[in-house]
Amino acid sequence: GENVEQHPSTLSVQEGDSAVIKCTYSDSASNYFPWYKQELGKRPQLIIDIRSNVGEKKDQRIAVTLNKTAKHFSLHITETQPEDSAVYFCAASIIGFGNEKLTFGTGTRLTIIP
Amino acid sequence: DARVTQTPRHKVTEMGQEVTMRCQPILGHNTVFWYRQTMMQGLELLAYFRNRAPLDDSGMPKDRFSAEMPDATLATLKIQPSEPRDSAVYFCASGLGISSYNEQFFGPGTRLTVL
Repeated sequence: GENVEQHPSTLSVQEGDSAVIKCTYSDSASNYFPWYKQELGKRPQLIIDIRSNVGEKKDQRIAVTLNKTAKHFSLHITETQPEDSAVYFCAASIIGFGNEKLTFGTGTRLTIIP
Repeated sequence: DARVTQTPRHKVTEMGQEVTMRCQPILGHNTVFWYRQTMMQGLELLAYFRNRAPLDDSGMPKDRFSAEMPDATLATLKIQPSEPRDSAVYFCASGLGISSYNEQFFGPGTRLTVL
């Protein structure tokens, strides 16, 4: 089955700086890679996703890049703000074949230092 | 604003007792997932349903856990007997089950403490 590794497990950055979280996956058939954000005591929520037919996707201050050859993808947050403090989970899935399962990474606790 | 709901939000019980957690998926969603979240294991998939049929429960300890969908508006996760190591937050999530769109919408979770 799919295995997703995520690094680092914790990350502290100064407010205004950029943060990068990296994930690798094992199954070359995976074609859908979402990122979920979980604030303290709250539910995980989708913030951005990317499909294997594109290499990069941006949404305001967040972007995700995908390297299919190397089987890794990354989340980039620019101009970080205190409200970016949360746990971020990457995930991988094979969609289009009646499968909706997501395999999650172990999470990155991001702390923004004011 | 449609959301997944879960009850109870918190549950404290003693070892050996039965625990039942309930989930109401978003109306119209046909996939339901149960996850367990601990500090050490992240988000661990326990069970997965599509159109109320169980598709994958390989992540669930079969001897004490069971998951069902009595109808399209209710999913249940039962632990019997409960053990201290079951202490965790249990999330339910639902999705549209469209092969090209795979977002999962999470409920608020049930925080279970087994003493």
